[in-house]
Amino acid sequence: GEDVEQSLFLSVREGDSSVINCTYTDSSSTYLYWYKQEPGAGLQLLTYIFSNMDMKQDQRLTVLLNKKDKHLSLRIADTQTGDSAIYFCAEPLNGYQKVTFGIGTKLQVIP
Amino acid sequence: DADVTQTPRNRITKTGKRIMLECSQTKGHDRMYWYRQDPGLGLRLIYYSFDVKDINKGEISDGYSVSRQAQAKFSLSLESAIPNQTALYFCATSDSGPNQLYEQYFGPGTRLTVT
Repeated sequence: GEDVEQSLFLSVREGDSSVINCTYTDSSSTYLYWYKQEPGAGLQLLTYIFSNMDMKQDQRLTVLLNKKDKHLSLRIADTQTGDSAIYFCAEPLNGYQKVTFGIGTKLQVIP
Repeated sequence: DADVTQTPRNRITKTGKRIMLECSQTKGHDRMYWYRQDPGLGLRLIYYSFDVKDINKGEISDGYSVSRQAQAKFSLSLESAIPNQTALYFCATSDSGPNQLYEQYFGPGTRLTVT
């Protein structure tokens, strides 16, 4: 995922908020995605945002999109130990033929 | 039952051996993908296919080949395995057509170790 950048690691205490950041490259993408990979499993779509939106809220999850800076963030409120996972930012390429993924941010939640 | 299955789940093989990883899906999707995951490198696309007659190279196809035997089956082969092919391999599927989110559905992964 050389075109989608994320930090490698984030550690938070249970109950705090987590914010995972991402920068992407293709400003024409209609969607941007967040995938979650739990230990020992494949990736699963967690949430997504349309490019004509600035924010999307889904229960404890808030996605913020800054198109000018090509910056995407995922905020998890009241982080729980079950949120410990690797989170991947992703954007479609070539008219949705492919998806490029960031390197993934490993979220560690400390009880 | 899982929608996307991969076999084997774990495999240890020796340098120079030929190995095949298999993927099956029951989602009825046209598109199938093979990725490898390495620590610090994220997910990288090896090959992808939009139907049984359409195979495309991804960003790291060297040393790998694929076969789309049917809409539901997409296998990845390492003709002569080498240690730097040690990784976690994922198969994924995606639907196509208008009004799609183009969500990718992943299998559970195959952990391959080449000694």
